[in-house]
Amino acid sequence: DGGITQSPKYLFRKEGQNVTLSCEQNLNHDAMYWYRQDPGQGLRLIYYSQIVNDFQKGDIAEGYSVSREKKESFPLTVTSAQKNPTAFYLCASSGLIGEAFFGQGTRLTVV
Amino acid sequence: QQQVKQSPQSLIVQKGGISIINCAYENTAFDYFPWYQQFPGKGPALLIAIRPDVSEKKEGRFTISFNKSAKQFSLHIMDSQPGDSATYFCAASKEGDTNAGKSTFGDGTTLTVKP
Repeated sequence: DGGITQSPKYLFRKEGQNVTLSCEQNLNHDAMYWYRQDPGQGLRLIYYSQIVNDFQKGDIAEGYSVSREKKESFPLTVTSAQKNPTAFYLCASSGLIGEAFFGQGTRLTVV
Repeated sequence: QQQVKQSPQSLIVQKGGISIINCAYENTAFDYFPWYQQFPGKGPALLIAIRPDVSEKKEGRFTISFNKSAKQFSLHIMDSQPGDSATYFCAASKEGDTNAGKSTFGDGTTLTVKP
């Protein structure tokens, strides 16, 4: 099936630990995105990438890092610098036609 | 400055009623207006979308009404069902823009349909 695969579904992070969220797509889309969603809140853009080996900061990039070594993959690292990382993280991709395709999300909790 | 404003923030409707969610945009370059539906613990999924060359688009119980001069569009859910209970996001983007997925999203509306 074509789509976006995020893993893991649930992730627990200890204080001071870096964790990496995986996002893979088989839609052959050039553009990929990471969003953060807090309870009852909208979608806030963390990072986005239009092409391999290039990415730009979104509205809330501090404490996060990404890489785009392959077209299919856009992993997000939540670093220890992110002081309030507990949230629902969504990866998305898009082609030239306006629809965005979202993954099923990763729920990150600090323990 | 928020480019897409969505209202209401939450909505409670009785089963069989009509749910109406409104969005207003600012950038006249936008030419693709999707609505996404998100169930708890899941990612958003495209529900219905409209382009500005038409004033209305209907798919089953879901209708988008578009007013280009007012820069507004709305989602109407007819005969609302408990299974429609979800969060709905409007969005706006420019087609052909490789950043289409970097759409400007509204803040979302949590719809609850009571049986």
